[in-house]
Amino acid sequence: AQSVAQPEDQVNVAEGNPLTVKCTYSVSGNPYLFWYVQYPNRGLQFLLKYITGDNLVKGSYGFEAEFNKSQTSFHLKKPSALVSDSALYFCAVRDLINTGGFKTIFGAGTRLFVKA
Amino acid sequence: SAVISQKPSRDICQRGTSLTIQCQVDSQVTMMFWYRQQPGQSLTLIATANQGSEATYESGFVIDKFPISRPNLTFSTLTVSNMSPEDSSIYLCSASVLGPQETQYFGPGTRLLVL
Repeated sequence: AQSVAQPEDQVNVAEGNPLTVKCTYSVSGNPYLFWYVQYPNRGLQFLLKYITGDNLVKGSYGFEAEFNKSQTSFHLKKPSALVSDSALYFCAVRDLINTGGFKTIFGAGTRLFVKA
Repeated sequence: SAVISQKPSRDICQRGTSLTIQCQVDSQVTMMFWYRQQPGQSLTLIATANQGSEATYESGFVIDKFPISRPNLTFSTLTVSNMSPEDSSIYLCSASVLGPQETQYFGPGTRLLVL
């Protein structure tokens, strides 16, 4: 079965500094990887996805993620953090099921705190 | 993209009762899902709602406890039956327009408290 791991419960970064939120994956076959963000008391919002092609994927709000096959990683990055980026971030992998459908498996989540 | 709405947004229920959560998508979607999330924690997939047939449940979730309907391509319901305080959680509806490469969208969630 497909899975993702987010090794950090929490990441702290100062505003203006670069941020990285880590994610590693375990899949059989081609990985379909996603990042979502959840702001307090709000629903999940899609940030970006990797399906195929360039290893560097650009998404919403200035975020990007780098797919690294040799390290089985898909870390989320942003060159300059904002206080408003403080939220809960989820890495996710798409798992194909034998009926032809799919399901999405989420990591445990990483809480990002950006300090002014 | 798909915009997903859920009703109710929150509820407080008594032990032993049942609550039905409605999910409406503004466009026809291929797949619909129901997730559960404890505040600040990860999402756990309850089941895939299949149009016109029984839902596909994940390990640890059963139809008697979480009956699901999906009568058409834009609507689904999740019932939490015979509730206990352990069922207190946020229940999220989700949908995808096409296949596994496509973005999956989420509703705002239903926050349930069982007393």
